[in-house]
Amino acid sequence: ETGVTQTPRHLVMGMTNKKSLKCEQHLGHNAMYWYKQSAKKPLELMFVYNFKEQTENNSVPSRFSPECPNSSHLFLHLHTLQPEDSALYLCASSQDYGGSQSETQYFGPGTRLLVL
Amino acid sequence: GQNIDQPTEMTATEGAIVQINCTYQTSGFNGLFWYQQHAGEAPTFLSYNVLDGLEEKGRFSSFLSRSKGYSYLLLKELQMKDSASYLCAVKYGGSQGNLIFGKGTKLSVKP
Repeated sequence: ETGVTQTPRHLVMGMTNKKSLKCEQHLGHNAMYWYKQSAKKPLELMFVYNFKEQTENNSVPSRFSPECPNSSHLFLHLHTLQPEDSALYLCASSQDYGGSQSETQYFGPGTRLLVL
Repeated sequence: GQNIDQPTEMTATEGAIVQINCTYQTSGFNGLFWYQQHAGEAPTFLSYNVLDGLEEKGRFSSFLSRSKGYSYLLLKELQMKDSASYLCAVKYGGSQGNLIFGKGTKLSVKP
């Protein structure tokens, strides 16, 4: 238990569906992250929020839409996804975002997404 | 571009020592992390190096050479539960740069 929770843990959706992934951290951290983990590929950083402001958007397609209403909650809204978007989506948080050990990231258990 | 290389798989025997290497080429360097990830689970933090040298934490140690763009994770007295993927990640690009992960090294510990 790392103090970062994600729901749902598993999700199956069609290409025309709209769904949302939720992440919550109970660590009092200021930065939150979304990652995509596909088989045999490195973790890919998607979005970074620092103090609720989006700091990084790594050329992620617009069918993925993040939302960070406060420092403890992070959402990833999904719409019109493609089968190649099937992956494990991991949320993480860190105390700060600034290139030191305080940026050690703590990961949630992930949402296993399957797009049919 | 940014690049991290680690071996894809390694096998070792229970009780032995194993060294997992990581080399990186990045535009800037601001720290290197090692994470452990068991199958189907989230990555968990193992170590952080920003200065050259060896950091020891119990059975795990991590080494960094910034001039060589090289790090290793050393696991001693291997246990079956150490079977997992080990991810090397580099923070680059200045104080608010990105974090890039390697593909991970899958370690199998055999009796």
